[in-house]
Amino acid sequence: QKEVEQDPGPLSVPEGAIVSLNCTYSNSAFQYFMWYRQYSRKGPELLMYTYSSGNKEDGRFTAQVDKSSKYISLFIRDSQPSDSATYLCAMRGYSGGGADGLTFGKGTHLIIQP
Amino acid sequence: DADVTQTPRNRITKTGKRIMLECSQTKGHDRMYWYRQDPGLGLRLIYYSFDVKDINKGEISDGYSVSRQAQAKFSLSLESAIPNQTALYFCATSEPGQGDGYTFGSGTRLTVV
Repeated sequence: QKEVEQDPGPLSVPEGAIVSLNCTYSNSAFQYFMWYRQYSRKGPELLMYTYSSGNKEDGRFTAQVDKSSKYISLFIRDSQPSDSATYLCAMRGYSGGGADGLTFGKGTHLIIQP
Repeated sequence: DADVTQTPRNRITKTGKRIMLECSQTKGHDRMYWYRQDPGLGLRLIYYSFDVKDINKGEISDGYSVSRQAQAKFSLSLESAIPNQTALYFCATSEPGQGDGYTFGSGTRLTVV
């Protein structure tokens, strides 16, 4: 079993729809959860991060973490064609002085149809 | 200027050639990373460095070497390139602390023929 599982898609939805992107993980030590957005031929850029369980909202984006289920989600409201990209989840444990490298999901390719 | 700059953006090289990919950053971060990205495999860590004197292997370091010339510069070398090293390579930086993310460069697309 991979540490982080993410459906690669593609996920195609019409403009204006609510998008739900998800990752599951197996390592209970993960404490910090992030979502990156990657446009074609660009590097990933940090979109959202959350610590431990709960929700975090930023404009049209909401990140949700359920540590009991080892499941994280990113919701995009009122989706726009400019949201078309690959979305990668990433997570790590608490940095106790050792390596705190991120573990990435493989990314979900999202297409918003105009 | 971009926070993390990678050069070259694209490179085609022949099997057996030595090639260096360069990364420089203006974030002032101590930690720097090299990843490669392949379709279906996601991002995989090649090497990382927590400061100029600290270099560590990642999960796929075989066939690669790195040099941390200064806090701002971290280079990746392929000593003898092979076709399965064809990939998109990313440099990233981070600063330790709660919730910090990585800042990625725009990537180098390397093709080994």
